[in-house]
Amino acid sequence: GNSVTQMEGPVTLSEEAFLTINCTYTATGYPSLFWYVQYPGEGLQLLLKATKADDKGSNKGFEATYRKETTSFHLEKGSVQVSDSAVYFCALSTWGDSGGYQKVTFGTGTKLQVIP
Amino acid sequence: ETGVTQTPRHLVMGMTNKKSLKCEQHLGHNAMYWYKQSAKKPLELMFVYSLEERVENNSVPSRFSPECPNSSHLFLHLHTLQPEDSALYLCASSQVHGSPLHFGNGTRLTVT
Repeated sequence: GNSVTQMEGPVTLSEEAFLTINCTYTATGYPSLFWYVQYPGEGLQLLLKATKADDKGSNKGFEATYRKETTSFHLEKGSVQVSDSAVYFCALSTWGDSGGYQKVTFGTGTKLQVIP
Repeated sequence: ETGVTQTPRHLVMGMTNKKSLKCEQHLGHNAMYWYKQSAKKPLELMFVYSLEERVENNSVPSRFSPECPNSSHLFLHLHTLQPEDSALYLCASSQVHGSPLHFGNGTRLTVT
């Protein structure tokens, strides 16, 4: 079956530090890959996505590249801010067994805390 | 405004109560999902509806009963829950493969 493994947190960084959150996956076929972010008291929001190998997703200074050869989708940001403090989820999606919907597998989430 | 609205935001219920969670989306999506989020666990997919038909039921106990009366609304009916059912219940919707899920802000359920 499909699975997503991401680094455990919490990750604590100082403001303006470089961020990497590792994510690797196992899947059959050609999944789409996503990073979602969850702020306290809210649901998950899409941060970025990539739908095929070598695609780079980017948003709000965050980037991740779909690496098929290493089955990875690591999240990076060059300079984090206090407002980036949240839980980050790596996820992959494939077609559902009966089609017409996405079968999404999530990692366990990595909590990021950025201190001033 | 997330496009997916869940009510109530918080719910406390006893083990013998019956309650329902509601989810509404106005994004024109054709699939809707219920997820359970518990501390230190991956999100657990509970149910999926595609075009108002249930297409996935991930070994969820029968004390959870979903209902999808139309493509915009999804309910989760709860009865005789256990304390371990306390969690954040998230609703999501999506369009076709490759498009992201859109989540609501969830219902924080506490079973006493």
